[in-house]
Amino acid sequence: GQQLNQSPQSMFIQEGEDVSMNCTSSSIFNTWLWYKQDPGEGPVLLIALYKAGELTSNGRLTAQFGITRKDSFLNISASIPSDVGIYFCAGQLYSNYQLIWGAGTKLIIKP
Amino acid sequence: DVKVTQSSRYLVKRTGEKVFLECVQDMDHENMFWYRQDPGLGLRLIYFSYDVKMKEKGDIPEGYSVSREKKERFSLILESASTNQTSMYLCASSFQGVGEKLFFGSGTQLSVL
Repeated sequence: GQQLNQSPQSMFIQEGEDVSMNCTSSSIFNTWLWYKQDPGEGPVLLIALYKAGELTSNGRLTAQFGITRKDSFLNISASIPSDVGIYFCAGQLYSNYQLIWGAGTKLIIKP
Repeated sequence: DVKVTQSSRYLVKRTGEKVFLECVQDMDHENMFWYRQDPGLGLRLIYFSYDVKMKEKGDIPEGYSVSREKKERFSLILESASTNQTSMYLCASSFQGVGEKLFFGSGTQLSVL
């Protein structure tokens, strides 16, 4: 099956730093979603984007739906210890509404 | 809050055993999904169902089957477990009209020895 290109695979950051991650594809999407998975839990939806160019925030998290409809970005400002986990992007294909997932970005905060 | 409950957090089975993974959701969602999660591969869709007794193959259905006899319950069956089916299994559900907003269970870590 298809997969989104999500990068980076992992990030080691200091508490207080800003974080950026992205997902790209050669396909066009009508919806982009960002999920977070805490250790030992299932993914939880953070942000949903429905329109090209849309910029949406959820607290310290901001995500954007790329203008080409082929990519999306997630930024976390001033990271805190509870931000650790795996962040997944998912895109709903324009062609058939199938949901395609990225491989995840593992966020680790250095003590 | 939506609750998706998976029957076991950890399971250890032997090669060749028949394995049942159960999932129940309490929000009257039409859609239910089974994913497996492996490091570096993200989430891969095994099967999904958009109504009772309906099922559709996902990206990796081989070696698996599913059952949806009631709206709230979606079961994943490994007919003859193999070591390459050792993985984290995640169940999810969603409303028909907003199928992209998935609510996940906590997962079942299955080890096949």
